Amino acid sequence: GAVVSQHPSRVICKSGTSVKIECRSLDFQATTMFWYRQFPKQSLMLMATSNEGSKATYEQGVEKDKFLINHASLTLSTLTVTSAHPEDSSFYICSARGSPGRGGEVTQYFGPGTRLLVL
Amino acid sequence: AQTVTQSQPEMSVQEAETVTLSCTYDTSESDYYLFWYKQPPSRQMILVIRQEAYKQQNATENRFSVNFQKAAKSFSLKISDSQLGDAAMYFCAPLQGGSEKLVFGKGMKLTVNP
Repeated sequence: GAVVSQHPSRVICKSGTSVKIECRSLDFQATTMFWYRQFPKQSLMLMATSNEGSKATYEQGVEKDKFLINHASLTLSTLTVTSAHPEDSSFYICSARGSPGRGGEVTQYFGPGTRLLVL
Repeated sequence: AQTVTQSQPEMSVQEAETVTLSCTYDTSESDYYLFWYKQPPSRQMILVIRQEAYKQQNATENRFSVNFQKAAKSFSLKISDSQLGDAAMYFCAPLQGGSEKLVFGKGMKLTVNP
């Protein structure tokens, strides 16, 4: 159980275009999803937290107008990189978590990641 | 902000041997969770083990076990009978108290030698 998928696994796009990445929880309802960015040989950096049906909460320094997050259902969150530029090239990873609270789920399960290359 | 320290950037172990990965963290909370994740070359983050701070008993998952020292804020991972498939980056990640956020350490690269 607790499987999270991401699509696409790899994408190459031209500078100035927008790219959408999907994150799906396949066998559980994800009340909260997280989006991370990982540079080569570095740790994960949290970009934003999204709760189903509400606006995402962005970490300091992350441009919300550039990285649009939509969490429209309990199984799907999307990250759209708008007007992508070469510096946006990175590995993007999502994670999902079920209902929180004592006795509830706190563990985050991760998707396989999306490698974005902006030319 | 909560900090996590994985002091050893790289370690190696012989196949079938035991290795311990260290992690220390800082928190003002009394009730929290701690996680170890591994990231193999595929870059898929995989949950290794989880510990609830309110539990005195150390968590164990097959060949993986933790040594949780709450007072010392230490959360080390022991891998017994190391296998080639254990080769990966290992990240220690406390769940930040009062929020839903994981705080990741810088990671430690484990090499398993045949």
